Amino acid sequence: KQEVTQIPAALSVPEGENLVLNCSFTDSAIYNLQWFRQDPGKGLTSLLLIQSSQREQTSGRLNASLDKSSGRSTLYIAASQPGDSATYLCATERYNQGGKLIFGQGTELSVKP
Amino acid sequence: DGGITQSPKYLFRKEGQNVTLSCEQNLNHDAMYWYRQDPGQGLRLIYYSQIVNDFQKGDIAEGYSVSREKKESFPLTVTSAQKNPTAFYLCASELAGGLNEQFFGPGTRLTVL
Repeated sequence: KQEVTQIPAALSVPEGENLVLNCSFTDSAIYNLQWFRQDPGKGLTSLLLIQSSQREQTSGRLNASLDKSSGRSTLYIAASQPGDSATYLCATERYNQGGKLIFGQGTELSVKP
Repeated sequence: DGGITQSPKYLFRKEGQNVTLSCEQNLNHDAMYWYRQDPGQGLRLIYYSQIVNDFQKGDIAEGYSVSREKKESFPLTVTSAQKNPTAFYLCASELAGGLNEQFFGPGTRLTVL
């Protein structure tokens, strides 16, 4: 059974700092891994999708990496801003599971001005 | 504008009542999903549908029911058999069931009085 873990559960950094969020998973038989952002009381916003054959994806100040062999993914945020404050969730999609996502519990990020 | 809508945003239910949460998408996606989110936990899959008139149970389907009569719509009914229905409910869709990005609606917060 796939288990997805995100550590730390909460992170507070000063504005302008570069930071890394971690995601680990127990079963490497995945189609892809997706990173989401969730603001309080809101739905999820997709940030990046990394296919199993890819090593990384970039979008603006965000860079996500995937290492299937070690069961790890990281989300790198450059030059953090107060507007980046939110909960970040990672989720894996396993082979032959029809799109079912297994989510981590999220990392709550606070960027202080 | 293309997207996923959920209604209502807030819903209150009395003990013993069934309630139905609406989810509509105009993205022409084949697959649709219902997740439940509890405080401090990741999302858990309730039901999913990869095609009209077909759906499968997710990890926590007990006490819930769904229908998929139209491609655009995937309503979720929370029945009186669901013992702890207070949660945030999120609907998602995907172009096809697997390998693609999932997009989420804004969510419905259900509270049992």
